[in-house]
Amino acid sequence: AQKVTQAQTEISVVEKEDVTLDCVYETRDTTYYLFWYKQPPSGELVFLIRRNSFDEQNEISGRYSWNFQKSTSSFNFTITASQVVDSAVYFCALTLMTTDSWGKLQFGAGTQVVVTP
Amino acid sequence: DAGITQSPRHKVTETGTPVTLRCHQTENHRYMYWYRQDPGHGLRLIHYSYGVKDTDKGEVSDGYSVSRSKTEDFLLTLESATSSQTSVYFCAISESAGAYEQYFGPGTRLTVT
Repeated sequence: AQKVTQAQTEISVVEKEDVTLDCVYETRDTTYYLFWYKQPPSGELVFLIRRNSFDEQNEISGRYSWNFQKSTSSFNFTITASQVVDSAVYFCALTLMTTDSWGKLQFGAGTQVVVTP
Repeated sequence: DAGITQSPRHKVTETGTPVTLRCHQTENHRYMYWYRQDPGHGLRLIHYSYGVKDTDKGEVSDGYSVSRSKTEDFLLTLESATSSQTSVYFCAISESAGAYEQYFGPGTRLTVT
């Protein structure tokens, strides 16, 4: 069975600080996809990024960056120079590439990020 | 934004009553999903559909049933609601399974008293 662990329940930072969210996953399969979603206070879930298990390149999108390391089964997310609008719950998720698992996202419990002015 | 609506957005019901939640999409996506969100658990998959009349169980399917008679609609039914089914329910859609990201609806907050 697959498992996604987000050990940090809540992280509080002051605006302009950097914040890193940890995501550790467990799977015996070698082919899978990892995702990050954002859930702002309004409640909707917003897709942020998808990464497949073959591509360990880090990715940067504006103030967001992702560090994927298969050796440690981690897919960490960093927000640089945080802003109040970054306050949200962030979820890491995993899906396998096997036919019977396609589309079945396994979510972590989420990390609440609170950015204060 | 993906065209996904959920109805109702809020509902309070009593234990033992049947409840149906509706998810409607305008994207003509093949795959649709129902999740529940509870504190400490993230989102957990209840049921999903890979086409009209094609559905399958997810991680937490007990006490729930689904139906999909049209591409655009995916219904989630609680045959006899229990307090443990108090939750926020999200519908999601994806163009295909696997690699494709899922887009989520606004959610339905259900309270079973």
